Amino acid sequence: GENVEQHPSTLSVQEGDSAVIKCTYSDSASNYFPWYKQELGKGPQLIIDIRSNVGEKKDQRIAVTLNKTAKHFSLHITETQPEDSAVYFCAGTGGFKTIFGAGTRLFVKA
Amino acid sequence: EAGVVQSPRYKIIEKKQPVAFWCNPISGHNTLYWYLQNLGQGPELLIRYENEEAVDDSQLPKDRFSAERLKGVDSTLKIQPAELGDSAVYLCASSLGASGSYNEQFFGPGTRLTVL
Repeated sequence: GENVEQHPSTLSVQEGDSAVIKCTYSDSASNYFPWYKQELGKGPQLIIDIRSNVGEKKDQRIAVTLNKTAKHFSLHITETQPEDSAVYFCAGTGGFKTIFGAGTRLFVKA
Repeated sequence: EAGVVQSPRYKIIEKKQPVAFWCNPISGHNTLYWYLQNLGQGPELLIRYENEEAVDDSQLPKDRFSAERLKGVDSTLKIQPAELGDSAVYLCASSLGASGSYNEQFFGPGTRLTVL
């Protein structure tokens, strides 16, 4: 079945450094790729998304890249801050189904 | 604007007991989702509603799980009887239009279920 793999499962960076989270998807029909941030005790919240007809999108310190040929997409966070510490989920949407990755727990050390 | 509301936030029950979760989506959102989130995992879809119609319930364990969305607004997810393996967070989400591409899903805070 459809699958989204996410790496790494845990990521620890120093405040001010960059963080990169990578995902691969299996469903060729996937054409929308949202990224969610989940803080403790809360539901996931969309932070950025990208459509299949775009290769890169940026929003302040956050950027996402998509390589449709390789079925890879990545989240880049620059100038990390302690408040970026959370669990991040990538997802792939094709048709009417959204498949989530297993999540990356990001720790930003002050 | 109020977000997706879920209740209760926490529920502890003994196995074989019934349990119900309630969700009120964002006003005007036609699509409603129930997800299961196990510890350390991403959300997994249980059921998706378009208005009052369940359009995807392929992952819902129908022997013990049921859901309804009367009048196409709020929704209830029920488990009867609960098993130890049902311990997880149950997330509700909603989106504006027909699900699929480009519709941002807004999640509620979830209900954390513990089955003893």
